[in-house]
This record gives sequence, structure tokens and C-alpha cells, in this order.
Amino acid sequence: GENVEQHPSTLSVQEGDSAVIKCTYSDSASNYFPWYKQELGKGPQLIIDIRSNVGEKKDQRIAVTLNKTAKHFSLHITETQPEDSAVYFCAADRPSGTYKYIFGTGTRLKVLA
Amino acid sequence: EAQVTQNPRYLITVTGKKLTVTCSQNMNHEYMSWYRQDPGLGLRQIYYSMNVEVTDKGDVPEGYKVSRKEKRNFPLILESPSPNQTSLYFCASYRPDSGNTIYFGEGSWLTVV
Repeated sequence: GENVEQHPSTLSVQEGDSAVIKCTYSDSASNYFPWYKQELGKGPQLIIDIRSNVGEKKDQRIAVTLNKTAKHFSLHITETQPEDSAVYFCAADRPSGTYKYIFGTGTRLKVLA
Repeated sequence: EAQVTQNPRYLITVTGKKLTVTCSQNMNHEYMSWYRQDPGLGLRQIYYSMNVEVTDKGDVPEGYKVSRKEKRNFPLILESPSPNQTSLYFCASYRPDSGNTIYFGEGSWLTVV
């Protein structure tokens, strides 16, 4: 069935270093790929997204890249700060008119001061 | 302020005792959904609703019921809870024609003993 694989499950980086989280999706018809950040005790919040007609999108220290041929997309965080510590989820849409999403299994990012 | 509000936030209950987790959104969104979050499994969709009186199963619907009698409310019902339904639950909403941002509630921790 359709799925989204996400790696790594945990990631520790030193403050100021970069962090990269990778996802692979299976449905070649997927067109929309959001990333959500979940802080402790809160619900996930959208931080950046990308559509299939774009290869890269950047928003300050956060960027997302998409390789449709390989069905990979990645989240890049540069100059990490302690407040970047959270669980990150990638997702892919199911373009069958049902407005459903498949989420990855999550990555716990720890930024060490 | 745009909000998805779910209650209760924390609940410990016993096997077989019916319970309802309420969800309400103030954004006039057509689409609402319930997810459960479990370690190593990410966010899995339980049920979703595309509008009033329109509901459908997600990926893990067994043991759950939902109803959508009003646009703003989407309660999750566990008729006979079992310990394997111990999880963190999120309600979510969005309107497809205004972008794809999913708004999540803050989560409901449910323990079934």
C-alpha cells in the first residue's frame, strides 16, 4: 500500500550545525509534501511545504527539496537553535479526491547547546 | 484566533467504558479528521469527514466511531475501549480550497486500563 518512510527516527546535532531529515513516498501521483513540527505537549504545526512542480523551497533557515523521479523529499534546517528541538513529520497527499494525507513516522530532533 | 479544540486533554478510563472525545473548530472548515499518534508509527488517520453528514474510514478505524452533525464539531467515540487504544489522539481540520494547511488540536492523551 501507499506509505511514507522517514529517516532518521532520532537526530542529535550541536547548536549551529545543520540537520537533514529525509522522506521517501510510494505514490507517484502525490503532488503535495508538507512538513510539520510538533513541540512538546502540542499538536503538529505546518512549517513548510512543497508542490511537485517545484524542486526546492526555502524559508529563512528551513528548506525543503523534492526529487520526484526518486520519490524523495528532505527537510534541511541550517544554523540550528535549541528551539528547533521537536518532532518533525513529513507527509504526502493522496490525490484521489479524498483529501487524505499519509504521514511519516516522525523524527525527534535534539539540538544540543 | 484559529483553533481546533479537543477535550478532554487527559483521560484514564477502564476497559469497556464508553467515552467520547470532543473536537470543535472555529475556522468554518469542511474537512475534519482524527489521528492517533503512537511511538514509531507516526500519525495514522482514524476517520475523516469531508462535510456535514459525510464521514469515511481512515487507515485504522477499528474500535472507533465518529459523527458530523454540525460543521464545527467532530466527536470521536470509543464504544468499548480496549488497552490497545491507549494513545495520543489529534483532531484536525482544513479547507482544501484555501490551501492545504492542516490545523491540529493540542492532543488528547487517552489511557485505557
